[in-house]
Amino acid sequence: QKEVEQNSGPLSVPEGAIASLNCTYSDRVSQSFFWYRQYSGKSPELIMSIYSNGDKEDGRFTAQLNKASQYVSLLIRDSQPSDSATYLCAVNTGGFKTIFGAGTRLFVKA
Amino acid sequence: SAVISQKPSRDICQRGTSLTIQCQVDSQVTMMFWYRQQPGQSLTLIATANQGSEATYESGFVIDKFPISRPNLTFSTLTVSNMSPEDSSIYLCSGAGTKNTGELFFGEGSRLTVL
Repeated sequence: QKEVEQNSGPLSVPEGAIASLNCTYSDRVSQSFFWYRQYSGKSPELIMSIYSNGDKEDGRFTAQLNKASQYVSLLIRDSQPSDSATYLCAVNTGGFKTIFGAGTRLFVKA
Repeated sequence: SAVISQKPSRDICQRGTSLTIQCQVDSQVTMMFWYRQQPGQSLTLIATANQGSEATYESGFVIDKFPISRPNLTFSTLTVSNMSPEDSSIYLCSGAGTKNTGELFFGEGSRLTVL
């Protein structure tokens, strides 16, 4: 069974610090990887996508992908209280079928 | 990004009844999906809504319980049939964009509580 694993947290970081969120996946042929942010009571919102090994930066967010290790991560620099949310790692296994991890709850303390 | 509208946003239902959730997407969406998010859980794919044909259901979900329609490219419905308290959940309509990158956009969700 194809799986996406995340530490459920909560992960607590002080304001201004770097938050590091990690994810592993089981299906070695997966090609597309995503991070979604979900505020409490809201629907998920796509914040990063990554398709090839290495780093991809967008503002304060950096996604990292290592296909050999089947590992995806999200770094949030200069964390803000408004970043407090649940972050969902998602993996597309082909044919637009996307599997989501359980999510990591992040708290950024002011 | 795509705009996806869902209704109702929430409802309280009695055991044994059925409820239909509607989803309207704009032209920026190709594929449409229905997800379920139970309290404190992540998203589970129920089915892919196929235009003009039967939906493609994931393991553990059946058409009799979750009938889905997609009469055209921009509209889909999900019915939760013969509801029980275990069906209390958030149901999310989702669409994949035209860039075919696998990125998903979500509606606001429909929070159902079954008494």
